[in-house]
Amino acid sequence: RKEVEQDPGPFNVPEGATVAFNCTYSNSASQSFFWYRQDCRKEPKLLMSVYSSGNEDGRFTAQLNRASQYISLLIRDSKLSDSATYLCVVIRGRGYSTLTFGKGTMLLVSP
Amino acid sequence: NAGVTQTPKFQVLKTGQSMTLQCAQDMNHNSMYWYRQDPGMGLRLIYYSASEGTTDKGEVPNGYNVSRLNKREFSLRLESAAPSQTSVYFCASSEAGPANYGYTFGSGTRLTVV
Repeated sequence: RKEVEQDPGPFNVPEGATVAFNCTYSNSASQSFFWYRQDCRKEPKLLMSVYSSGNEDGRFTAQLNRASQYISLLIRDSKLSDSATYLCVVIRGRGYSTLTFGKGTMLLVSP
Repeated sequence: NAGVTQTPKFQVLKTGQSMTLQCAQDMNHNSMYWYRQDPGMGLRLIYYSASEGTTDKGEVPNGYNVSRLNKREFSLRLESAAPSQTSVYFCASSEAGPANYGYTFGSGTRLTVV
């Protein structure tokens, strides 16, 4: 099993739809989790941290399932501007090289 | 609100040429990183600097060297470029370790080695 796995997509959804992505991780000792957003030919930007109790930021909800070793990102009421690649990040420990990026899931929102 | 600034944005090199990618941050962050991003491979850590005066290898350091010139600047040098180093290079910084605050990335350098 790869350290961090994401479905590459693309996920094609109409405006207003709800869409969810998962990201699975292999190391049960992983401690910290993030979601980043990357627009085409741009740099990744931090979208949100993922907390054990789950967290919400507007239309975005992130959740962690430690038992099944995955994190999820739910986007409600999708906008055209949500079209991007969503990268999950998993941190195994405190060391600087213990952070792993997933390869990303592409979302395409259509009118 | 510059954040992390990388130069150049684009570069074409011939095999065997050398060059230095520059990165500067104005957020007073302690830690800085160099990543490369290739299709189908995701982002891979080349080198990082946990704090001024220290540098360490990441996942894919071969063919690269780095210098943490001061707290603001972290450069990446290719001594003898190879086609396998064709990639998009991102510099990033964080206030402390990556577990705490996440990264701020620069806009990237698109490097082609022919």
